[in-house]
Amino acid sequence: ELQLVESGGGLVKPGGSLRVSCAASGYTFSHTWMSWVRQTPGKGLEWVGRIKSKNDGGTTDYAAPVKGRFIISRDDSQKTLYLQMNSLQTEDTAVYYCTTYAFDIWGPGTMVTVSS
Amino acid sequence: DIQMTQSPSTLSASVGDRVTITCRASQSVNNWVAWHQQKPGTAPKLLIYKASSLQSGVPSRFSGSGSGTEFTLTISSLQPDDFATYYCQQYNTYSWTFGQGTKVEI
Repeated sequence: ELQLVESGGGLVKPGGSLRVSCAASGYTFSHTWMSWVRQTPGKGLEWVGRIKSKNDGGTTDYAAPVKGRFIISRDDSQKTLYLQMNSLQTEDTAVYYCTTYAFDIWGPGTMVTVSS
Repeated sequence: DIQMTQSPSTLSASVGDRVTITCRASQSVNNWVAWHQQKPGTAPKLLIYKASSLQSGVPSRFSGSGSGTEFTLTISSLQPDDFATYYCQQYNTYSWTFGQGTKVEI
């Protein structure tokens, strides 16, 4: 069964950093483009960014609100996707989901709270 | 960014009702629209992709239609398990955007 599971969420102070992970199982992770999507009560579902497979260059793209602060990376040997979040702001408080680029598989999400 | 506007925001319906949710894009997204169902505390679940293609395992009472800027999700006969929030999504560009959601309630 294809599965994604996020981890690493928590409480962080404004200006701080946090890295969340997404572990994949049951399929060929290395060939799959991946994305991060976040959800807040106020703004709903918001695309955060994507990373291509290494075969397709492994490049990344980001949404404007997080560009320059967030970094998406992947470790295909560990079947793990990462989201490094720096200079966190209260507006980044959300549930963070990883999803395949076909958005047919989603993890259960991990909560990130940015608060002093 | 392409804006996706859903209507209505909330919909009250009964079991057995035919339900229609509309999504309008701020510019043409061709057929690159998906519909997701979300229940409280869980991740979105893909129902429809490419405007009208039914995702594997999704009941046939769900259907999608539309192209360009106007899209519709229809549930032909609402079942108890269908009370949830539904989101449209465009993926015509790599910068996906989602509608604000339609809550289907009893």
